[in-house]
Amino acid sequence: GNSVTQMEGPVTLSEEAFLTINCTYTATGYPSLFWYVQYPGEGLQLLLKATKADDKGSNKGFEATYRKETTSFHLEKGSVQVSDSAVYFCALTMYSGGGADGLTFGKGTHLIIQP
Amino acid sequence: ETGVTQSPTHLIKTRGQQVTLRCSSQSGHNTVSWYQQALGQGPQFIFQYYREEENGRGNFPPRFSGLQFPNYSSELNVNALELDDSALYLCASSLERSSGNTIYFGEGSWLTVV
Repeated sequence: GNSVTQMEGPVTLSEEAFLTINCTYTATGYPSLFWYVQYPGEGLQLLLKATKADDKGSNKGFEATYRKETTSFHLEKGSVQVSDSAVYFCALTMYSGGGADGLTFGKGTHLIIQP
Repeated sequence: ETGVTQSPTHLIKTRGQQVTLRCSSQSGHNTVSWYQQALGQGPQFIFQYYREEENGRGNFPPRFSGLQFPNYSSELNVNALELDDSALYLCASSLERSSGNTIYFGEGSWLTVV
């Protein structure tokens, strides 16, 4: 079956540091890939997505590139802020004959940014 | 604000009871899916409804069931509650079933089973 593996947290960084959160996936075929963010006490918000190989998703200074050859979708940001503190989830979905399947999520990475 | 609203936000049930959770999808979205998120874990796909029919199901037993109504709102029903059913239940909606479409999540319903 499909699966997503992302780096364990918590990840603690200082403000303005460079961020990388690793995500790799296993899927039969070519999935669409997503990063979702969950702030404390809130639901999931889509951060960015990529639907085909070599696509780069970007939003709010975050970027991730769909790498088919390494089955990866690593999340990066050049300079993090305290407000970026949250839990980040990598996810995928596949399209089957009946339509898109549900999202398969990683376990989440808790990011803590210290001032 | 995603336009996906869920109710109730919190509830406590006793083991063996039944629970119904409700979701109003974003306007015009005909695809609704439900997820279970245990504490400290990623969400797990329960099932998806498309135009009032179940269109995909994750690895959950039949005591997890659902409905989608003509206005595309949805319910999740869980029978014979177990302690392990304690979790955040998330509803999500999207326009059609394309894997490239953005999926919008509600803020969830926290269920505690005692």
